Amino acid sequence: SQQGEEDPQALSIQEGENATMNCSYKTSINNLQWYRQNSGRGLVHLILIRSNEREKHSGRLRVTLDTSKKSSSLLITASRAADTASYFCATASRDTGRRALTFGSGTRLQVQP
Amino acid sequence: EPEVTQTPSHQVTQMGQEVILRCVPISNHLYFYWYRQILGQKVEFLVSFYNNEISEKSEIFDDQFSVERPDGSNFTLKIRSTKLEDSAMYFCASSPPTGAKNIQYFGAGTRLSVL
Repeated sequence: SQQGEEDPQALSIQEGENATMNCSYKTSINNLQWYRQNSGRGLVHLILIRSNEREKHSGRLRVTLDTSKKSSSLLITASRAADTASYFCATASRDTGRRALTFGSGTRLQVQP
Repeated sequence: EPEVTQTPSHQVTQMGQEVILRCVPISNHLYFYWYRQILGQKVEFLVSFYNNEISEKSEIFDDQFSVERPDGSNFTLKIRSTKLEDSAMYFCASSPPTGAKNIQYFGAGTRLSVL
């Protein structure tokens, strides 16, 4: 797979359900970030997990990171219609020290009221 | 809350014309970036700018592209001779001086339509 692939590509759930999105990456990283994008808008940073962390929580968000598998997951609990958006993981290569973020292809989440 | 602002929100141009996309990064940030997103595709890195010079650029950022910080607040992306395939959303981003986390703050984007 390519750098930063998310799955599923699209996810439709009912309000109140949990949504889980997965991301894979290829390079060594210092951290992995998740961003959200409402339709036609810019990206908003949601949460960052460092490479030495395995799990992190922020409100209804839970992120896990498995550096041995180069994968991460984002869980949104008790989803709301307002969570409808696209979600992207993003990484920057630790080896090169570059700051350019490489984004995954994203998961489009639709939360039905 | 401080935010990155971009103008215009939508730019329509004819193929071969020059366009300048404008951005005002968050005031105390030191790193500036341009990304683009072709409709339905990934967000792709174009260029980063630090200390008044380009620090990184991607293969997309060829001689047709240039960036400038003409004053203390604006950060611009110029496309000299637009092509149909330049049609995309262009996002400006900035990040603060404490760079270890590399959290980037994005503007709402400029939709460029090349006809």
